[in-house]
Amino acid sequence: EVQLVESGGNLVQPGGSLRLSCSASGFTFSAYGMHWVRQPPGKGLEYVSAISTNGGVTYYADSVKGRFTISRDNYKNTLYLQMSSLRPEDTGVYYCVKEEDSRPRWDDGFDMWGQGTMVAVSS
Amino acid sequence: QSVLTQPPSVSGAPGQRVTISCTDTSSSIGAGYDVHWYQQLPGTAPKLLIYDTTKRPSGVPDRFSGSKSGTSASLAITGLQAEDEADYYCQSYDNIARWVFGGGTKLTVL
Repeated sequence: EVQLVESGGNLVQPGGSLRLSCSASGFTFSAYGMHWVRQPPGKGLEYVSAISTNGGVTYYADSVKGRFTISRDNYKNTLYLQMSSLRPEDTGVYYCVKEEDSRPRWDDGFDMWGQGTMVAVSS
Repeated sequence: QSVLTQPPSVSGAPGQRVTISCTDTSSSIGAGYDVHWYQQLPGTAPKLLIYDTTKRPSGVPDRFSGSKSGTSASLAITGLQAEDEADYYCQSYDNIARWVFGGGTKLTVL
């Protein structure tokens, strides 16, 4: 069974740091680009970050650039998101998502989503 | 503000057909990129409903279909059922903003 399980979400003060993890199983993790997508409470979906299959290429939304770092360990089948200088507007559920197509393409869809992990930034 | 524009809400009676539009305000759908649709039931993670504009993943009923024309895409749901009540999001790629989502549409089954 294809599965993505996030962990690491928590309540943190503004300016603080957190590291999210996403454990993947049921597919060849190293063959797919992976992303983080977040959803603020009561709002829509927002792209956060993306990483290529070997981790050599990464992308970030302007809202998190310079504060968040995406990485992956293909031996441990795990995706990470290191978040620092957190702001209240970073609050939301963070989803780990898998690209649908193993071929490199920009406009791929996301066929697997984790259950999400909640990040709350508040004093 | 989302790059892709969706109506905030749509509604329909059981058995009816509804459509949800997704309009490009920049350089995504109009640039020829594929569109994908997700269904998010209350309290759950989004689920891929339509990919590559018109394809359905295994297990998705053929009541759901996708299309694209020019700078807009549409999700059509026929034979509306109570279980279809959910939020629906379109997603594509934008040459500037990269991966983009629509603001979401809440479907109410009357």
